Amino acid sequence: ETGVTQTPRHLVMGMTNKKSLKCEQHLGHNAMYWYKQSAKKPLELMFVYNFKEQTENNSVPSRFSPECPNSSHLFLHLHTLQPEDSALYLCASSQASRGLGTDTQYFGPGTRLTVL
Amino acid sequence: GENVEQHPSTLSVQEGDSAVIKCTYSDSASNYFPWYKQELGKGPQLIIDIRSNVGEKKDQRIAVTLNKTAKHFSLHITETQPEDSAVYFCAASIRGNTPLVFGKGTRLSVIA
Repeated sequence: ETGVTQTPRHLVMGMTNKKSLKCEQHLGHNAMYWYKQSAKKPLELMFVYNFKEQTENNSVPSRFSPECPNSSHLFLHLHTLQPEDSALYLCASSQASRGLGTDTQYFGPGTRLTVL
Repeated sequence: GENVEQHPSTLSVQEGDSAVIKCTYSDSASNYFPWYKQELGKGPQLIIDIRSNVGEKKDQRIAVTLNKTAKHFSLHITETQPEDSAVYFCAASIRGNTPLVFGKGTRLSVIA
């Protein structure tokens, strides 16, 4: 266990559904991240929150909406997704004490999302 | 921005042999280079990292080397065991608030 939990672990949804992914970290960290992991592609950083403020949004479509109510919780709200959005969505956290670039990131197990 | 290339994409070795995975990066200002291991059904976990002020770092059977002039770094696993089978990712970053940039990953299979 890395101290980062994600729910649900698996999710199947239709293109008209609305669902949310949840991430919780028990490490006392101040930065949280959402990544998309697709087959044969690098890990794609989607969003970064540092002390609850969004600091990165890497041109992610508006059908993905993040929410960070506090430093321990991170959500990814999903609506009107496309089949190409099917992937493993990983959450990570880091201390953010020396700047994000040199922080060790601790990953959760991911949510396997399938969009039909 | 930073770009990280990782090779090979797949690697099979016999148990007990060594495995080497190589990464190159584009931004000479990068100064932090971690390696992550991702086992099936799990998220990536940090296994070793190196900073630009050193050329090599070892931790039991794994080691990382860094050549700043050539802008490449490598992961070396000696005496491989079946439990080393996983996907390995390299990453690079610049000091400050720029997050890590990851390579595409290498799937390592250790054959017993």
